[in-house]
Amino acid sequence: GESVGLHLPTLSVQEGDNSIINCAYSNSASDYFIWYKQESGKGPQFIIDIRSNMDKRQGQRVTVLLNKTVKHLSLQIAATQPGDSAVYFCAERTGANSKLTFGKGITLSVRP
Amino acid sequence: ETGVTQSPTHLIKTRGQQVTLRCSSQSGHNTVSWYQQALGQGPQFIFQYYREEENGRGNFPPRFSGLQFPNYSSELNVNALELDDSALYLCASSYADRGSSPLHFGNGTRLTVT
Repeated sequence: GESVGLHLPTLSVQEGDNSIINCAYSNSASDYFIWYKQESGKGPQFIIDIRSNMDKRQGQRVTVLLNKTVKHLSLQIAATQPGDSAVYFCAERTGANSKLTFGKGITLSVRP
Repeated sequence: ETGVTQSPTHLIKTRGQQVTLRCSSQSGHNTVSWYQQALGQGPQFIFQYYREEENGRGNFPPRFSGLQFPNYSSELNVNALELDDSALYLCASSYADRGSSPLHFGNGTRLTVT
């Protein structure tokens, strides 16, 4: 069946270092992937997305990499800041306007 | 640009009761989805509405129902509440006719069933 999972439940990084959050997905038919950040008491906040016809996309301080061969998605955060501390979710979608399937989330903790 | 807003922010209900949660979509968006997020878990898809019709549903029983109004706002109704319905209910909106457009979420309604 389809599933989206994250390799590690928690990640602790030093302020200023780069962070890499990894995600595995199993549905080879998924054609769209999204990363969300969720802070305590708030809804998921869109970070960056990528379509399956791309393998890399960059935003402000963030980069998403997609490896369809091994069904792997990663989020790289450059110069991690205390404000980046949150739970991060990857999500996949199969077909335009269909549902998002989320993983369980990984907690990013930034050490001062 | 107004984001997705949900009301109420918190709600406490008793088992067996009914509840209605409300959502106003982000301006310019014509599709609304509802998700249930249990503590420590990722959001789970309940259903999606487009042009006032349900056009996708997750693995939730019929006692979960919804509406989308002409102004693209939406309601989620849950009948015969059970203890396991306690969760954060998230509304998300997007623009369906723009290919793959990301969902934008509200801050949710925290429902506690006692």
